Amino acid sequence: QKEVEQNSGPLSVPEGAIASLNCTYSDRGSQSFFWYRQYSGKSPELIMFIYSNGDKEDGRFTAQLNKASQYVSLLIRDSQPSDSATYLCAVMRGSTLGRLYFGRGTQLTVWP
Amino acid sequence: GAVVSQHPSRVICKSGTSVKIECRSLDFQATTMFWYRQFPKQSLMLMATSNEGSKATYEQGVEKDKFLINHASLTLSTLTVTSAHPEDSSFYICSARDAQRGTGELFFGEGSRLTVL
Repeated sequence: QKEVEQNSGPLSVPEGAIASLNCTYSDRGSQSFFWYRQYSGKSPELIMFIYSNGDKEDGRFTAQLNKASQYVSLLIRDSQPSDSATYLCAVMRGSTLGRLYFGRGTQLTVWP
Repeated sequence: GAVVSQHPSRVICKSGTSVKIECRSLDFQATTMFWYRQFPKQSLMLMATSNEGSKATYEQGVEKDKFLINHASLTLSTLTVTSAHPEDSSFYICSARDAQRGTGELFFGEGSRLTVL
């Protein structure tokens, strides 16, 4: 079982819709969870992180964490074509802050 | 925001040669940096944790003698791919953690695309 699993997609939504991205992780000791966006050929850029159960909102983005189910999700409201990218879920575990394990990513396309 | 710079962004080399990639934190001190490798349409795979002033910690399955990591200062870590072969062709990305921030937030470099002929 992979440590971090994501639905690989591709996920296609119309402009203005809500895009829902999901991620599960295997290690219950995981402490913090991150969502990154990666454009083709570029390095990842952080969207948001979450470490407490529940929801965390930042603008059009909402991260949801359920540690009991080992599940984390990202909702993108009012999706824009510029949101088209690969979204990477990452999990931090262990004592070294910043040591991340990534999922394969979900490719999102927002069409006008 | 914090900036991490990688150099070179692209490198092409012949099989059997060694290639050095630099990762610099430009406006903060990074006692710890991380090196990742990403093959096309694959995830970022953590290769090693680079610790300033001490030996790097490698992930399982990563050859220490092939991927040499040096973290000589608080702002610079280098990854040397020794005796590179075509299967080493990949996108190498470093990241650094700002020691002043307690969140563990990472800042990524722009990545270095290595092509071994």
